Amino acid sequence: DTGVSQDPRHKITKRGQNVTFRCDPISEHNRLYWYRQTLGQGPEFLTYFQNEAQLEKSRLLSDRFSAERPKGSFSTLEIQRTEQGDSAMYLCASSWGQGASDEQFFGPGTRLTVL
Amino acid sequence: DAKTTQPPSMDCAEGRAANLPCNHSTISGNEYVYWYRQIHSQGPQYIIHGLKNNETNEMASLIITEDRKSSTLILPHATLRDTAVYYCIVRDPNFGNEKLTFGTGTRLTIIP
Repeated sequence: DTGVSQDPRHKITKRGQNVTFRCDPISEHNRLYWYRQTLGQGPEFLTYFQNEAQLEKSRLLSDRFSAERPKGSFSTLEIQRTEQGDSAMYLCASSWGQGASDEQFFGPGTRLTVL
Repeated sequence: DAKTTQPPSMDCAEGRAANLPCNHSTISGNEYVYWYRQIHSQGPQYIIHGLKNNETNEMASLIITEDRKSSTLILPHATLRDTAVYYCIVRDPNFGNEKLTFGTGTRLTIIP
């Protein structure tokens, strides 16, 4: 399967703990995106990478959040000192970056529950 | 990016055409209209996009009004697998506008 994969699919943690999620994009894609989705809402943009460079960060990405894409391939999203409000689905997407026809391919998401 | 307005929910009988409307009255000249859908417990899936002209692909058709203030996504022969939340998004694809801004979408239910 050559789609976007995310690991883990589910994560339950206690408030105050750190968590890290991984995203493996489609191999030829140079852009990688992170979104967050809470119940009943559409996905909200968090950040995106062009190769290894992080080019945009949303104001939703507080200083407890950090994302990396060290070699321009897979990416990690870390949340430090988790809070109950961080409970959400974290979605990763990748794309070619081809202007108007730039279709984003989404992974299945990582569902985070903070107790 | 301009905002969009969609009805929160719609039903459609299986086998019939599903017509999903979207208002984007503040769309600018460089902004395209994109449609994605999200089936339960999955990530969103791209459907189609357009600028001015009507577009058709293997999944759907997109009809954009002449003034570009609204559009309609048409699923010609809806099946039960088309039950999903459909998002209408407007986006300027020029450099620096890479993100997708999702609203709350339309929850489409296909009735057997």
